[in-house]
Amino acid sequence: EDQVTQSPEALRLQEGESSSLNCSYTVSGLRGLFWYRQDPGKGPEFLFTLYSAGEEKEKERLKATLTKKESFLHITAPKPEDSATYLCAVQAYQAGTALIFGKGTTLSVSS
Amino acid sequence: KAGVTQTPRYLIKTRGQQVTLSCSPISGHRSVSWYQQTPGQGLQFLFEYFSETQRNKGNFPGRFSGRQFSNSRSEMNVSTLELGDSALYLCASSLSSGSYEQYFGPGTRLTVT
Repeated sequence: EDQVTQSPEALRLQEGESSSLNCSYTVSGLRGLFWYRQDPGKGPEFLFTLYSAGEEKEKERLKATLTKKESFLHITAPKPEDSATYLCAVQAYQAGTALIFGKGTTLSVSS
Repeated sequence: KAGVTQTPRYLIKTRGQQVTLSCSPISGHRSVSWYQQTPGQGLQFLFEYFSETQRNKGNFPGRFSGRQFSNSRSEMNVSTLELGDSALYLCASSLSSGSYEQYFGPGTRLTVT
């Protein structure tokens, strides 16, 4: 069964304190791995797509990496406005377009 | 470019009633997917529509149905509402069916009493 597990469930950081969020996945035939950010009361906001092991993508203070079993979202020198829930999702070849989501990591950054 | 829009944003219904939710995708996007988000189960895929045809369906009962119009707008219907149907219903649009980024709307918050 295709599955996505995110850790930790919650993470508290001080402003400027870098860290990483983990997304472990089990899928037969990875089509793509997606990272989203979700603020309370809003829909998920697309961040990155990764397709193959070794691939990396960056956007401002965020960097996503992918291996054959997991993905990391590295947050460098976070700011309070980075506080949100970060969601990881995979798309499997046999599941069509459906995204299989993890439960998310809720990040809180304090100044 | 305008994003994905969903109407209504909030809805309160009584058990046993039915409800219809609407989604307008990003201009030029032809695929629309629907997801249910609850605190316990997280985000779960309901179905995808492309070219007015259901291309994929998640593991939900037949009470959940949808359709897509020629302008790519989509509607989702839930009949015989149950308390457990209370959730945030999210619509996502993408350029086409397949491995493309999906962009989400703000969602419709459905409360069933």
